[in-house]
Amino acid sequence: SQQGEEDPQALSIQEGENATMNCSYKTSINNLQWYRQNSGRGLVHLILIRSNEREKHSGRLRVTLDTSKKSSSLLITASRAADTASYFCATDLTSGSRLTFGEGTQLTVNP
Amino acid sequence: KAGVTQTPRYLIKTRGQQVTLSCSPISGHRSVSWYQQTPGQGLQFLFEYFSETQRNKGNFPGRFSGRQFSNSRSEMNVSTLELGDSALYLCASSLSRGPKPNYGYTFGSGTRLTVV
Repeated sequence: SQQGEEDPQALSIQEGENATMNCSYKTSINNLQWYRQNSGRGLVHLILIRSNEREKHSGRLRVTLDTSKKSSSLLITASRAADTASYFCATDLTSGSRLTFGEGTQLTVNP
Repeated sequence: KAGVTQTPRYLIKTRGQQVTLSCSPISGHRSVSWYQQTPGQGLQFLFEYFSETQRNKGNFPGRFSGRQFSNSRSEMNVSTLELGDSALYLCASSLSRGPKPNYGYTFGSGTRLTVV
């Protein structure tokens, strides 16, 4: 089964609104990463947050990590139609040596 | 700088055939990972190579194999293709030197394989 589980599976919002996606995982991690994928293309790395960090920002993106709850969230502020994509969280497990991806959240931003 | 290049972009093969996919990582990246993406199973890890050595392998049958060359370019091979092998195959490279993925991955655009 997938290590990371994103919630919701699908999200539809209007341009200008904020979008929040959540990721939960089961075992301890070294880091957690968020990726974006546009319609069957390759994934694009967005942010990496390490287990000793609680929050990171990159432009309109804000990622939080709560290791006590084994969860992370990705916030996209002031969304644009171009943000329409699938968003995946990926975990680097303490016990493993690979990135394990969740099933993704499909975000649709309506103009 | 150039990104991760995967060739070919699309492939149509017949059941029972074999196929070889190619991946050229970003210059300076020695770690190359391969993933299979399907609508039903999502992104599944195939294997990871570093300095021509396979460091990690996912739960795929022996029909799936790979290798890495001295210039870090990697190939994966699937023999005796089955209908279920139809998928998007993604290659990713990273700066990670140890076995842990301490850096973000840069993905190629993928090879869309269709088995008929």
